Amino acid sequence: DADVTQTPRNRITKTGKRIMLECSQTKGHDRMYWYRQDPGLGLQLIYYSFDVKDINKGEISDGYSVSRQAQAKFSLSLESAIPNQTALYFCATSLGTDTGELFFGEGSRLTVL
Amino acid sequence: SQKIEQNSEALNIQEGKTATLTCNYTNYSPAYLQWYRQDPGRGPVFLLLIRENEKEKRKERLKVTFDTTLKQSLFHITASQPADSATYLCALGRGYNKLIFGAGTRLAVHP
Repeated sequence: DADVTQTPRNRITKTGKRIMLECSQTKGHDRMYWYRQDPGLGLQLIYYSFDVKDINKGEISDGYSVSRQAQAKFSLSLESAIPNQTALYFCATSLGTDTGELFFGEGSRLTVL
Repeated sequence: SQKIEQNSEALNIQEGKTATLTCNYTNYSPAYLQWYRQDPGRGPVFLLLIRENEKEKRKERLKVTFDTTLKQSLFHITASQPADSATYLCALGRGYNKLIFGAGTRLAVHP
């Protein structure tokens, strides 16, 4: 079983709909992240959380919100999806060190029509 | 603003040869640099970390160099195999895991 699990893996939705992407992990890491990947661009950080009571905006947080329901669960929401939010979304976890490697989920491909 | 450049064109090499991928950066002073491998439709997988005070790091067939004067890291895969075909991402960091990722370079190793 995957250590970092994302659901759904694929989703097609329409403009204006609310979408939630979920992430759960069994690695026991405190730190969790949501990234977005677009063709030809590097992974961009949307939100990150260093523990259950800590939520921080990344470089592209507009149009997104997150919820850290437990140490193991971190959800990303698009309140009103728009076509330019069509992308591949990754959840990741890491240890609490300054150089800790990221462990990524398999990704959630979102298409907004 | 910070900028990371990786070759956008795919690197095609013959099996058995050494693949060398480049990561250049500007307007940033990273404390460390990481390399990840990403297969199509999959999440990136961590390969190597190198710190600013290290010139070179090795792991099996992989070697990474880090030149803070040139603002460049080179990633080498020796005796390359078709199974090494993937996209390789470099990422720069300076504390607290807020990594900045390059767009990646696709490597294709041909038999």
